[in-house]
Amino acid sequence: NAGVTQTPKFQVLKTGQSMTLQCAQDMNHNSMYWYRQDPGMGLRLIYYSASEGTTDKGEVPNGYNVSRLNKREFSLRLESAAPSQTSVYFCASSDNRGFNQPQHFGDGTRLSIL
Amino acid sequence: AQRVTQPEKLLSVFKGAPVELKCNYSYSGSPELFWYVQYSRQRLQLLLRHISRESIKGFTADLNKGETSFHLKKPFAQEEDSAMYYCALSGHSGGSNYKLTFGKGTLLTVNP
Repeated sequence: NAGVTQTPKFQVLKTGQSMTLQCAQDMNHNSMYWYRQDPGMGLRLIYYSASEGTTDKGEVPNGYNVSRLNKREFSLRLESAAPSQTSVYFCASSDNRGFNQPQHFGDGTRLSIL
Repeated sequence: AQRVTQPEKLLSVFKGAPVELKCNYSYSGSPELFWYVQYSRQRLQLLLRHISRESIKGFTADLNKGETSFHLKKPFAQEEDSAMYYCALSGHSGGSNYKLTFGKGTLLTVNP
């Protein structure tokens, strides 16, 4: 039972390049989330998917797109990377049948934009 | 709107000393609160949650609705407690959906 798996773990991009961060969970959770973590800013929600087939913007969605490919997978795409998107990205999932369900996190992707 | 405030970015204590990490929240409904911990270069993991009323690794947290607080406490800190701690609030985000709002985190350092 791997939990939440993110790929890649590290990536360096040049400004303007595009890439997709992959996330998969094997816990049969309905909801999935993408966060970015920056020093002094904590975790900020980029996008989330409450259930398969739905996606919604979070606190900082600009410059990103997401796809909920199926119940297991939720990808985050940077169409034209900018240095301000240098961050650590975390994917999470939860069983959202109740508001007291915790989120389970992946190991993160360290992304640097030059 | 929901908001979580962790007033201390950094907290440094000596081994064996008591530690309290502060968390205050703002939410119009009945909140569900969590503490997450992130050890160096590891994933975030759930430490404890309000509804469970449990003690994990010696940590406890009590919800005080009057003061809108959910402070994390441990009577005797250990060096292995050094980590980043995030307080989080689960609130209604529309329909039957809920989402977590995180505080900005407190970096706890326990010195030998």
